[in-house]
Amino acid sequence: GAVVSQHPSRVICKSGTSVKIECRSLDFQATTMFWYRQFPKQSLMLMATSNEGSKATYEQGVEKDKFLINHASLTLSTLTVTSAHPEDSSFYICSASHEQFFGPGTRLTVL
Amino acid sequence: AQSVTQPDIHITVSEGASLELRCNYSYGATPYLFWYVQSPGQGLQLLLKYFSGDTLVQGIKGFEAEFKRSQSSFNLRKPSVHWSDAAEYFCAVAQGAPKAAGNKLTFGGGTRVLVKP
Repeated sequence: GAVVSQHPSRVICKSGTSVKIECRSLDFQATTMFWYRQFPKQSLMLMATSNEGSKATYEQGVEKDKFLINHASLTLSTLTVTSAHPEDSSFYICSASHEQFFGPGTRLTVL
Repeated sequence: AQSVTQPDIHITVSEGASLELRCNYSYGATPYLFWYVQSPGQGLQLLLKYFSGDTLVQGIKGFEAEFKRSQSSFNLRKPSVHWSDAAEYFCAVAQGAPKAAGNKLTFGGGTRVLVKP
């Protein structure tokens, strides 16, 4: 199947800093990618839909100014967590294509 | 709005025994249904999907699922589990027909499968 990568796989940062997470489709083009958040022992919650060349669509309750999404090419979407705080600590997972191939996830820990 | 319910939070099964994970969905139109497996600290791997056609869907790793419209269910089954099947399993429904641009998924709460030796 298609491959989706994420980088970094794990990041630890200080409160107040910004963190960028990359999601890449390695062998196909994805006009749309999705960003999910998963708290420990819980299910995935969709945060936003990333659209190549246009603004992302955010789910209700997700702060677009805090979770900046950029989808500048057909193979790359980035999620930037701005001014991160401990409550932003979570597992962030992206997916791409209609079959929803998922990346391996990024574990963010904010100290 | 669509929703997905996985009634069982945990299931413990002996190695070699059969496994069935329940999934019920609520969606007004034709559902597009998925089962994923997630190992600890990992992303999600697609086991199988149902878009249309035969209601019994075969997937990877020996899994199958049956779509029953009358029961709004899409239960996952495996005849004989292996220790490596211990993981978290998620059922999901896509909003609208699948297309190249993709569709966002609504996930169930997940079922954690433990496999006893």
